[in-house]
Amino acid sequence: KAGVTQTPRYLIKTRGQQVTLSCSPISGHRSVSWYQQTPGQGLQFLFEYFSETQRNKGNFPGRFSGRQFSNSRSEMNVSTLELGDSALYLCASSFGASGLSTDTQYFGPGTRLTVL
Amino acid sequence: AQSVAQPEDQVNVAEGNPLTVKCTYSVSGNPYLFWYVQYPNRGLQFLLKYITGDNLVKGSYGFEAEFNKSQTSFHLKKPSALVSDSALYFCAVRSSGGSYIPTFGRGTSLIVHP
Repeated sequence: KAGVTQTPRYLIKTRGQQVTLSCSPISGHRSVSWYQQTPGQGLQFLFEYFSETQRNKGNFPGRFSGRQFSNSRSEMNVSTLELGDSALYLCASSFGASGLSTDTQYFGPGTRLTVL
Repeated sequence: AQSVAQPEDQVNVAEGNPLTVKCTYSVSGNPYLFWYVQYPNRGLQFLLKYITGDNLVKGSYGFEAEFNKSQTSFHLKKPSALVSDSALYFCAVRSSGGSYIPTFGRGTSLIVHP
């Protein structure tokens, strides 16, 4: 079974631009979560989608948004990029709905975003 | 609020020796605990999890972890380290009550010397 895939793997943008990242979950998984990983802050939860609905949201500004499609694929958008948005953005999928805290999340390889 | 502490930024061990990567947690309700490993330029790979039952959990690549409720710890262990085990290790906790959102530790860099 194929793992979680993320595209693109690397992105370079300039301040003020916007960016869209894509995540395809493991086949059969319906929950997709997004995380931002930086050396200073570690892994921080962005949001989680299940059945095209955002179920949970972390403490990030409204510039960060996402959506999920009927095939469970998810996209994350960051508008008006800032230097501090440079990070590795990780997507994770799991089978069940939010609230199933016992579910294992499986992570993709990430998208490395650099903002200049 | 739930939290995870990985008190060591880096752990050094010689190949063939046992290794331990420490993790302590704080959570309301029953804890669900996870260990992940991250290799350079890669995402996190699931190693093992504790949900309920036996306090000693066995996972991938020969790793195991021991859940200790009284000490609120979930240390990762391996009897004999390999150079290829060198990576960044993350502990995470979720709760049976409160927020579903997992909290990750800051990570521990494991370096296994030949």
